[in-house]
Amino acid sequence: KQEVTQIPAALSVPEGENLVLNCSFTDSAIYNLQWFRQDPGKGLTSLLLIQSSQREQTSGRLNASLDKSSGRSTLYIAASQPGDSATYLCAVNKWAGSYQLTFGKGTKLSVIP
Amino acid sequence: DAGVIQSPRHEVTEMGQEVTLRCKPISGHDYLFWYRQTMMRGLELLIYFNNNVPIDDSGMPEDRFSAKMPNASFSTLKIQPSEPRDSAVYFCASSLDRAGYTFGSGTRLTVV
Repeated sequence: KQEVTQIPAALSVPEGENLVLNCSFTDSAIYNLQWFRQDPGKGLTSLLLIQSSQREQTSGRLNASLDKSSGRSTLYIAASQPGDSATYLCAVNKWAGSYQLTFGKGTKLSVIP
Repeated sequence: DAGVIQSPRHEVTEMGQEVTLRCKPISGHDYLFWYRQTMMRGLELLIYFNNNVPIDDSGMPEDRFSAKMPNASFSTLKIQPSEPRDSAVYFCASSLDRAGYTFGSGTRLTVV
């Protein structure tokens, strides 16, 4: 059974810092990995999608990397802003069988002005 | 496209009552998913459909839960009878052949 772990559960940084969020998964047979952002009381907003054949994806100040063999992904946020404060979730999609996403519990990020 | 649309946004009901949650997926998407989010368990898949057909309902907690997708643009998740432990946020998501998943804003269900 696929398990997804995100460490740390919470992170607080001063504005302007670069930061890295970590995601690890136990089964490397994945189809893709997706990072989401969730604001309090809101739904999930997709940030980046990495296919299993890719090593990284970039969108603005965000860069996500994938090392399938080691079962790890990182989300790098450059020059953090208070508006980046949210919970960040990673989710993996299995290669075969069920099409469900398996989610980590998320990292709650607070960017202090 | 307006994205995945869920209704209602909030639902408060008494234990034992029937609850129906609704979802309109993104037009053209062929997969639809129902997830439940709680503090204790995080996001869990309840059921998903492919081309309106239920494919995997192994996450449905018990027979009190049922889901339907009568056409490509509408799905419902029904709980009858509802219990306080069903209180959670229920999300609907859609996807085009796993090319990324788009989530709705969720329905916050409170059963008192």
